[in-house]
Amino acid sequence: EAGVAQSPRYKIIEKRQSVAFWCNPISGHATLYWYQQILGQGPKLLIQFQNNGVVDDSQLPKDRFSAERLKGVDSTLKIQPAKLEDSAVYLCASSPPRAGGKNEQYFGPGTRLTVT
Amino acid sequence: QQQVKQSPQSLIVQKGGISIINCAYENTAFDYFPWYQQFPGKGPALLIAIRPDVSEKKEGRFTISFNKSAKQFSLHIMDSQPGDSATYFCAAMSRGGGTGFQKLVFGTGTRLLVSP
Repeated sequence: EAGVAQSPRYKIIEKRQSVAFWCNPISGHATLYWYQQILGQGPKLLIQFQNNGVVDDSQLPKDRFSAERLKGVDSTLKIQPAKLEDSAVYLCASSPPRAGGKNEQYFGPGTRLTVT
Repeated sequence: QQQVKQSPQSLIVQKGGISIINCAYENTAFDYFPWYQQFPGKGPALLIAIRPDVSEKKEGRFTISFNKSAKQFSLHIMDSQPGDSATYFCAAMSRGGGTGFQKLVFGTGTRLLVSP
């Protein structure tokens, strides 16, 4: 099966500019996640969707970050305006409906954002 | 406390040796402990996972040892190979708040280098 797709793979912007990332999860996966991975750290969950509804956005900096998942499939994550500390890899992941106790999340390759 | 502590930060092992990475947690609500492997430019991929009702799980050359009373778990890579060179993340998952949805918390990562 096709994996989680993300675009673009790399993005360089100046501070105070805006940027958007796109994610297409694995077909049939109801749950979609956006993570921020700063260099040298583990991924940190920003937002979690179940179908097109938000179930956890407690760590999303809502003054500058926004995300949506229209029609419960693709998702976009936007940063406006960007700050230097937003430089990171933004990972999208998806997981199937939980069956038999399986909890696996499948990650995309990420978008590396550099804010100058 | 939603935190997972991981050590060492980096590790160099000779080919054929044993690689050991340790993690500790505080939150007793965690009920699923996966390990992820990440190669440069790729997203994390699930390697092996364990639930707290067992003390050890083995899959090929990879073994998780779990100590529930000490709230610690570790990854052992037997007969380490150069192809195992990657960053390894431990993680822990619990049901998030009142929603019942799982939330994955990652450790800070261990960069493993297996020398030929």
